[in-house]
Amino acid sequence: EIVLTQSPGTLSLSPGERVTLSCRASQSLISTYFAWYQQKLGQAPRLLMYGASSRATGIPDRFSGGGSGTDFTLTISRLEPEDFAVYYCQYYGSARWTFGQGTKVEFK
Amino acid sequence: EVQLLESGGGLVQPGGSLRLSCATSGFTFRSYCMSWVRQTPGKGLEWVSSIDANGVYKFNADSVKGRFTISRDNSENTLYLQMNSLRAEDTAVYFCAKYMDGWHPLDYWGQGTLVTVSS
Repeated sequence: EIVLTQSPGTLSLSPGERVTLSCRASQSLISTYFAWYQQKLGQAPRLLMYGASSRATGIPDRFSGGGSGTDFTLTISRLEPEDFAVYYCQYYGSARWTFGQGTKVEFK
Repeated sequence: EVQLLESGGGLVQPGGSLRLSCATSGFTFRSYCMSWVRQTPGKGLEWVSSIDANGVYKFNADSVKGRFTISRDNSENTLYLQMNSLRAEDTAVYFCAKYMDGWHPLDYWGQGTLVTVSS
C-alpha cells in the first residue's frame, strides 16, 4: 500500500511569499499518475496539477509542480490571497487512489 | 459547463443503508470513468470507489469493500453509491468526481453530500 506523507502540516505565510509544499511517497511512483488538489473551506477540491508538472485548465502559472520517484513538490511562486487553502497530493496505482493528509497554507 | 450534483445524504443509524446519487451534465457522461471520494469532517480526503465508463470495472477501498457498491446509469447521466451496513466511521461528506482521462486525475467534483451515521 502506497502512503503519501505531506509536509509541513501547516504553513503560516504572507501574501507575496514563495512556498514549496512537499509530498513524500512510501515507494517510488510513476509521475504520470501524481496530482495536486487545492481545497478551500466549504468547497470541493480543485485539480491543480496532474502528471506531477502539468497545470490543469485555468490554473495560473504561479503554480508549478515537480519531482519524481518518492519526492514531489508543489511551488507557488508568489502567494495571492486566494491561494490560502489546504493542498492535497494524490496518486493512482494498482486500482487504488491515495491522498496525502494535506498541508494547510494559512495567513501569518 | 460541467456540473455534478450529489444527493441522498442524511442521518442514518448504524447498520442502516443509504443510496447516494450524482446527477451530471455538461459532458458526455458515458465516456468517462467516475469516482466517489469522502471527507470526514475536519479531516482529509479518502478515495471510496471508482467505476469505468461502461460500468464494468469497479474498484473499492478496503474500508468499504463488501458494504458499498458503485454503479451508473449512462442513459440518465447519473452515478450512484449504494451504502449498506453503515458504521459511525462512514460519517463524512461524500463527493462524486469525474476523471479527466482514463483513471486519472479527478478534474471535476461535486459539492458533496453529508452522510451522518449515528444512533
